Amino acid sequence: RKEVEQDPGPFNVPEGATVAFNCTYSNSASQSFFWYRQDCRKEPKLLMSVYSSGNEDGRFTAQLNRASQYISLLIRDSKLSDSATYLCVVSHTGTASKLTFGTGTRLQVTL
Amino acid sequence: ETGVTQSPTHLIKTRGQQVTLRCSSQSGHNTVSWYQQALGQGPQFIFQYYREEENGRGNFPPRFSGLQFPNYSSELNVNALELDDSALYLCASTLGTGNYGYTFGSGTRLTVV
Repeated sequence: RKEVEQDPGPFNVPEGATVAFNCTYSNSASQSFFWYRQDCRKEPKLLMSVYSSGNEDGRFTAQLNRASQYISLLIRDSKLSDSATYLCVVSHTGTASKLTFGTGTRLQVTL
Repeated sequence: ETGVTQSPTHLIKTRGQQVTLRCSSQSGHNTVSWYQQALGQGPQFIFQYYREEENGRGNFPPRFSGLQFPNYSSELNVNALELDDSALYLCASTLGTGNYGYTFGSGTRLTVV
């Protein structure tokens, strides 16, 4: 079983739609949680950190459920420019604070 | 403030050869991590260097090795290349060994034929 599991998609949604991505993680010692965005053939870029209290950044809302080991990302009013792969990432501080990535969920927003 | 730069951007090597990839960390960052991203997969942690010492390693064989220099730049060396080593190799820098503040370079795309 992979440490971070995501539905690879693709999710094809029309512009203006609301779309939600989910992710589960297996390591209960995970301490930090993130969503990264990766455009085709580019490097991953941090979209937002995820906190238990939930957090919002404009059209993006992230939630963490530690009990269920579940992370979500909600995108409201989708834009064409949101088309990308969204990577769920967890981390725990051990010998090295490595980031553990899911395989990513691909989003395609269409006219 | 300069970001993370990696070189070369693309590389084609033959099976069995050796390759060296380079990374200059972002100004002010002293930790460099290397990741391998195969097509259709998320990045996988190879190893991390902090203050010129290896500070953790993922599930990669010893033919993957690295260095960090006093200016915090880093190299990733892969010996005895295999076809499955074909991937995007990403370097990420940060300050210290915490979980935040990673900046990724745009990667080196390695093709092994």
